[in-house]
Amino acid sequence: ILNVEQSPQSLHVQEGDSTNFTCSFPSSNFYALHWYRWETAKSPEALFVMTLNGDEKKKGRISATLNTKEGYSYLYIKGSQPEDSATYLCASFNDYKLSFGAGTTVTVRA
Amino acid sequence: GAVVSQHPSWVICKSGTSVKIECRSLDFQATTMFWYRQFPKQSLMLMATSNEGSKATYEQGVEKDKFLINHASLTLSTLTVTSAHPEDSSFYICSASPGTGGETQYFGPGTRLLVL
Repeated sequence: ILNVEQSPQSLHVQEGDSTNFTCSFPSSNFYALHWYRWETAKSPEALFVMTLNGDEKKKGRISATLNTKEGYSYLYIKGSQPEDSATYLCASFNDYKLSFGAGTTVTVRA
Repeated sequence: GAVVSQHPSWVICKSGTSVKIECRSLDFQATTMFWYRQFPKQSLMLMATSNEGSKATYEQGVEKDKFLINHASLTLSTLTVTSAHPEDSSFYICSASPGTGGETQYFGPGTRLLVL
């Protein structure tokens, strides 16, 4: 199991503002980086699977970048809405298993 | 598409009893299923990986005789917590993948287990 870290642990953002947060992971033997959104009482929902250095992926107002050489990924939320409130998990896939970070919990204030 | 169900969502049991949790892929065939455990304020920790028709691969520190995993079909995996004790109280969640898991994994909603 790899050491995957996410920061900050939690953040509050005003509706309409943009925000971003970080996932760091071991860069050696990198295979893939996963992002999930987990709303309370629901299943974690897959956002992105990223594999290539420099990858940028976008889904609506949410986007992510990947730097495999230095071992980090950023997730961006543009124009935050209350429905973006959730815990965002990243996980590094290596040796046929996912190693998760503890998540960043985002609360969007109306 | 890609829905995974998990049952039950909540279970309370007495110490010493066994509890079975089911994980089903509803609209795809899951070559690989994963079982995770989460303690409060901690990350999801992989317990074991199961492939249909073969024995599960357990992570270091996970007792295979305590946490029995059966992946009898391409749509169903079960986790049985045998002789449960209060320290087994936790949140258990499964995921399923049509491949090896490096592509998207699809998660169930999880099961909260409380052992009295």
